[in-house]
Parts: sequence; structure tokens; C-alpha cells
Amino acid sequence: AQTVTQSQPEMSVQEAETVTLSCTYDTSESDYYLFWYKQPPSRQMILVIRQEAYKQQNATENRFSVNFQKAAKSFSLKISDSQLGDAAMYFCAKLTGGTSYGKLTFGQGTILTVHP
Amino acid sequence: DTGVSQDPRHKITKRGQNVTFRCDPISEHNRLYWYRQTLGQGPEFLTYFQNEAQLEKSRLLSDRFSAERPKGSFSTLEIQRTEQGDSAMYLCASSGTSGRSKNIQYFGAGTRLSVL
Repeated sequence: AQTVTQSQPEMSVQEAETVTLSCTYDTSESDYYLFWYKQPPSRQMILVIRQEAYKQQNATENRFSVNFQKAAKSFSLKISDSQLGDAAMYFCAKLTGGTSYGKLTFGQGTILTVHP
Repeated sequence: DTGVSQDPRHKITKRGQNVTFRCDPISEHNRLYWYRQTLGQGPEFLTYFQNEAQLEKSRLLSDRFSAERPKGSFSTLEIQRTEQGDSAMYLCASSGTSGRSKNIQYFGAGTRLSVL
């Protein structure tokens, strides 16, 4: 079974600082998608960023960027200039079944606290 | 279109009762997914549809669970003879098969089930 592991149950950061959330995964596929989702308390899950495994370049969305290390099967999320609104549970997820279909396998999540 | 819609948002039921949840996906999306999320954990895959065809079911989906997507639009998830262990958040997601948002799953706000 494919697994996604987030080894940091909780992280905290000061407002305006940078924080990195870790994720590792297991797969035998050569091409796949990886995602980071954000779930604020009692609110719905929203996509933060997506990475396609065949792309060498790390994905970036405004203050959010990833460090994708395909050989190491590592996919970390860096949040720059942290804001109070970034406080949430963050999930790393992998799309199984290659790139054309399939379910998401999620990690256990990391709770991010942002201190003013 | 305002996104994936789930109804009801909350359901409280007594053990042994049947419950049904509804999910309306984003209108142009042909794939629809159901996940279950318990407190403090990542979502776990239950089942998914492409149009009206149910393509995969998780081992988590016991005989008491059934899902349908009769016309390839909305979907229902029914739990028969509910048990306390069924208490969880049930999430629905949808995705398209083309364009920039291909393979991105968009989530609804979920239905929180409490079995007393």
C-alpha cells in the first residue's frame, strides 16, 4: 500500500517568518501528482499547491513553495512571510493510479500555529 | 457555480438508524470522490465515480455502506444500521479531466455524522 508520512504533528511560526512542513511518501510509479491541502478549523479543505512528478521545477504559488526531491521521495512545503490566516491543519497528499485518475492518499497532517 | 456542495452539514442519529448524505459536485466535473475523516486524522478514501460508474471501493466501505451517482451528477452515500464507529466527517470531492485543474480534487465542507 502506498503511504504518505508527515512526521511533524505540530509546528509553530512567528508572523512574517518562514516555516517548512515535511512530507515523505512511498511509490513505485514514475509519474504522479503531489499536493498540499490546508484545512482551517471547522472549514473545508482547500488546495495550496500541486506538483507534477515529471517536472523538475519546484512549484510555487505566491508565498507557498515546495522542495520536491523525487529520488528521496520527499515533498516539503515552505510558507514564507507567514500570516495569521495560515494557521490550519496542513495535509500532504499523493494521487494514486498515476496521473490520469485515482484517489488521494493523505498524510496524518501537521497543525500549524502562527503567533502574532 | 460555487463549488462542491454537501448536505446536510451535520447529522445526529441513534445507533441502528440509516442515514443518507448528498453531494453535488462542480457542474463540469465527471469524477466524484467520497472520503471519511476522523478527528485529527487525514481523510481516508471510501469510493469514487467517473460519471455514473463506481470505479473503486475501499475495504473501509463495508456492506452497510452504499454510494450511488445515478445520472452522473449528484451522489448519495447511505449508511445502514449506523454504529458509533461511523461517527466521522464525510467529505466529498470532485475533479475534472481536462484543463489546468485536471486531477485537482475540490472538496466540499463535509457532513459531520454523530452516532449516539
